[in-house]
Amino acid sequence: QLQLQESGPGLVKPSETLSLICTVSGGSISSSDYYWGWIRQSPGKGLEWIGSSYYSGSTFYNPFLKSRVTISVDTSKNQFSLRLSSVTAADTAVYYCVRHGSVGATKAADYWGQGTLVTVSS
Amino acid sequence: EIVLTQSPGTLSLSPGERATLSCRASQSVSRSYVAWYQQKPGQAPRLLIFGASSRATGIPDRFSGSGSGTDFTLTISRLEPEDFAMYYCQQYGSSLPYTFGQGTKLEIK
Repeated sequence: QLQLQESGPGLVKPSETLSLICTVSGGSISSSDYYWGWIRQSPGKGLEWIGSSYYSGSTFYNPFLKSRVTISVDTSKNQFSLRLSSVTAADTAVYYCVRHGSVGATKAADYWGQGTLVTVSS
Repeated sequence: EIVLTQSPGTLSLSPGERATLSCRASQSVSRSYVAWYQQKPGQAPRLLIFGASSRATGIPDRFSGSGSGTDFTLTISRLEPEDFAMYYCQQYGSSLPYTFGQGTKLEIK
């Protein structure tokens, strides 16, 4: 059974960089059938797709966050990561790592991590 | 950006009844790439429907999706107690970013 688990600091200071890691178990991150992505959820903005990466390193991002986001994959560790720079209080949210298909209708997120709360505050 | 508007905001029904949830897009969603998710308190969302009408693995057949263009519907034919939760639609067509609706809360009447 595939499992995804987020890890990283729960508190980040304004203007700093938020960094999270998602560890994938029960399956290979190097599969050609899937993308690996991040979605966040906050009371104010609801669910927001951040971006996704293929195992090869090909990425696509939410245009509204693109200038601040980097998603990368480490196939040797079966992990992928999120970096979000210059954070503000508006970036406070529960962050989920997800898997979604790479083609057509399968691009919906079929596996989710449990989520991790990140608070931006000094 | 494609804006998804879900209605109603809250739906109050009893177990055994039929639930109809709506998701309207601000512009046509390419190839009906719309998904529906269920979320219970303290849990991550769970994929129910993808491609507007295909059930995800392990999802009971009382859940069905339909629609095309800008109008999409999730129907739960006979509500079970465990179906009372938040429901979100998402579009993942060719127009970035992928976006979500604001959700419909399905509560017990």
